[in-house]
Amino acid sequence: GESVGLHLPTLSVQEGDNSIINCAYSNSASDYFIWYKQESGKGPQFIIDIRSNMDKRQGQRVTVLLNKTVKHLSLQIAATQPGDSAVYFCAERGGGNEKLTFGTGTRLTIIP
Amino acid sequence: DVKVTQSSRYLVKRTGEKVFLECVQDMDHENMFWYRQDPGLGLRLIYFSYDVKMKEKGDIPEGYSVSREKKERFSLILESASTNQTSMYLCASSPPGGSMNTEAFFGQGTRLTVV
Repeated sequence: GESVGLHLPTLSVQEGDNSIINCAYSNSASDYFIWYKQESGKGPQFIIDIRSNMDKRQGQRVTVLLNKTVKHLSLQIAATQPGDSAVYFCAERGGGNEKLTFGTGTRLTIIP
Repeated sequence: DVKVTQSSRYLVKRTGEKVFLECVQDMDHENMFWYRQDPGLGLRLIYFSYDVKMKEKGDIPEGYSVSREKKERFSLILESASTNQTSMYLCASSPPGGSMNTEAFFGQGTRLTVV
């Protein structure tokens, strides 16, 4: 999951298994949430988003779950592949503010 | 294809120099952002702009300023570079929050080293 500090949370998953990456957000007024994937040497890339009027959204092999009661967001990746190895960030925006705030990231490693 | 372009991938500057990091987007987005990324700290917002000539401080604006004279261009300025500003700098742009698809698109990053 997400945490503040010098050590990036890590998650190792066997290829083909499902992975779940968690994120706790802080602003109860946030109404839009995004998951990004960042590969080494590249900028973050959009994966999937969800608005606060939803609690689940699915994409190709990815699902985002939103629990507003406990201010928790998760990203599920099904049937993981080596190319899924990256750092994953959640981001939040809202409360009438255009500011996009990121979590500290989770490093996902897929074990062949 | 959407594009956010940062002028340099790598920069090495001396302490005390004035440094300009340039970012251009071709999506006609209203919002533009500058972040710095450091190991274990994620992306921290330095400044953002929601319109031409408009800017707002992010979480760590000290030691930086910005300029947005044209909609497509957002510049980050280090008035007097210091070694603690050695970092990866990421520029992003997005439509306004009320739009349907409002995710931010990122450039490839500029790795700045201050010696």
